[in-house]
Amino acid sequence: GENVEQHPSTLSVQEGDSAVIKCTYSDSASNYFPWYKQELGKGPQLIIDIRSNVGEKKDQRIAVTLNKTAKHFSLHITETQPEDSAVYFCAARFNTNAGKSTFGDGTTLTVKP
Amino acid sequence: ETGVTQTPRHLVMGMTNKKSLKCEQHLGHNAMYWYKQSAKKPLELMFVYSLEERVENNSVPSRFSPECPNSSHLFLHLHTLQPEDSALYLCASSQGGIGTEAFFGQGTRLTVV
Repeated sequence: GENVEQHPSTLSVQEGDSAVIKCTYSDSASNYFPWYKQELGKGPQLIIDIRSNVGEKKDQRIAVTLNKTAKHFSLHITETQPEDSAVYFCAARFNTNAGKSTFGDGTTLTVKP
Repeated sequence: ETGVTQTPRHLVMGMTNKKSLKCEQHLGHNAMYWYKQSAKKPLELMFVYSLEERVENNSVPSRFSPECPNSSHLFLHLHTLQPEDSALYLCASSQGGIGTEAFFGQGTRLTVV
């Protein structure tokens, strides 16, 4: 089965700096890679995703890059703000009718004002 | 608001009790999921329902019993739980198909005493 490793487990940055979270996956058949943000007391929320036919995707301050050959993908947050503080999860899956993802362990991001 | 509603938000139950968790989605999705989120562990997929049929059961103990009466509702029936079952139980839904993401509810924080 799929195995997803996520690093680092904790990340602390100063407001305005960039944050990068990296994930590797094991199953070369995986073709869909979502990222979720989980704030305290809430469920995970999708913030960005990327398909295997794309190398990079951006949405305002958030970007994701994918290297299929190396089987790793990364989340980049620029100009971080205190409200970006949360736990971030990467995931990987091969699309099926009931798509299910294998999740990384999560990264706790703290943005200091 | 993600369109996935879970009740109750918090539940404390004794090991001999029987209780049920409820999930409702208003997104018109055709797949629903139960996940378990424990401290310092990745999200664990418990059950997957697609078009109201269970298609995945990741070797979950029989003290957890899911029910999906229709595509909008999902239940998790609990009986004779153990203290180690204390966790955040998350419901999610998705529209099956390529590149579909899961929308999560806010979860039920379960404590078994």
